[in-house]
Amino acid sequence: EAGVVQSPRYKIIEKKQPVAFWCNPISGHNTLYWYLQNLGQGPELLIRYENEEAVDDSQLPKDRFSAERLKGVDSTLKIQPAELGDSAVYLCASSLDSTTEAFFGQGTRLTVV
Amino acid sequence: QKEVEQNSGPLSVPEGAIASLNCTYSDRGSQSFFWYRQYSGKSPELIMSIYSNGDKEDGRFTAQLNKASQYVSLLIRDSQPSDSATYLCASDLSGYSTLTFGKGTMLLVSP
Repeated sequence: EAGVVQSPRYKIIEKKQPVAFWCNPISGHNTLYWYLQNLGQGPELLIRYENEEAVDDSQLPKDRFSAERLKGVDSTLKIQPAELGDSAVYLCASSLDSTTEAFFGQGTRLTVV
Repeated sequence: QKEVEQNSGPLSVPEGAIASLNCTYSDRGSQSFFWYRQYSGKSPELIMSIYSNGDKEDGRFTAQLNKASQYVSLLIRDSQPSDSATYLCASDLSGYSTLTFGKGTMLLVSP
C-alpha cells in the first residue's frame, strides 16, 4: 500500500514569490493534516480536513496561506507571498479519522531567501 | 490552552539500558495517544498508539497510559544506538479532535 506522497521534496524560492505544495494521502483516509515543523520543534498544525471540509484552520495564517482539498482526496497548500520566516518543513499526514493513527509523508523542505 | 508537553532532553542512556520517555497532556477528556519517532532530516514515523489505561507492549516498546494523572510514557527496552532519535508524543485533545504534538524528546543511546 502506498503511503502519503508529497511533492516537491525541496523548494528554494525568493521572498515575495508564491509556492505550492501537493499531498496525496493514503487511499481511504478521510482526515488530512498539514503541519509546519521548525528545527527542534514538534509539528504544528496548519489545517485539518475531514473529507473536503476544512474543520480546523485556526492556526493557518490566512493572509498569505491557503489550502484546498478538492474531491476529498489530494490537497494543495499555497503560500503567497512567501516570507523569510516561512522557511520550514511542511508535513502532510492522513488518517482514517481524527482519532486514529496518522501517517506522514516525506515532507517538503522550504527555504525562502 | 490545550497542550501536550514533553521534556526536550536530550535523554542519554547506554546501550542495553531502558529508556523512559514521558509526556503530559492538558485535557482530561483526551482519548487517543500516539508515540512517533523522528530521525534527523526525516518525517515522523508512528511507533505506538494507546487508547486505554494501562500498558501496551510491542516488541521492545511499551506505552503506558494513566488518564487520571494525564500522563503517557514510552519505555524502550534494550536500547540500541539506532534508537537515537527524537520521540514525539501526540494526542487528539478532547473537543479539539486535532492531532496535537509535543515538542519532542531527543534520545541518545551511546554504544
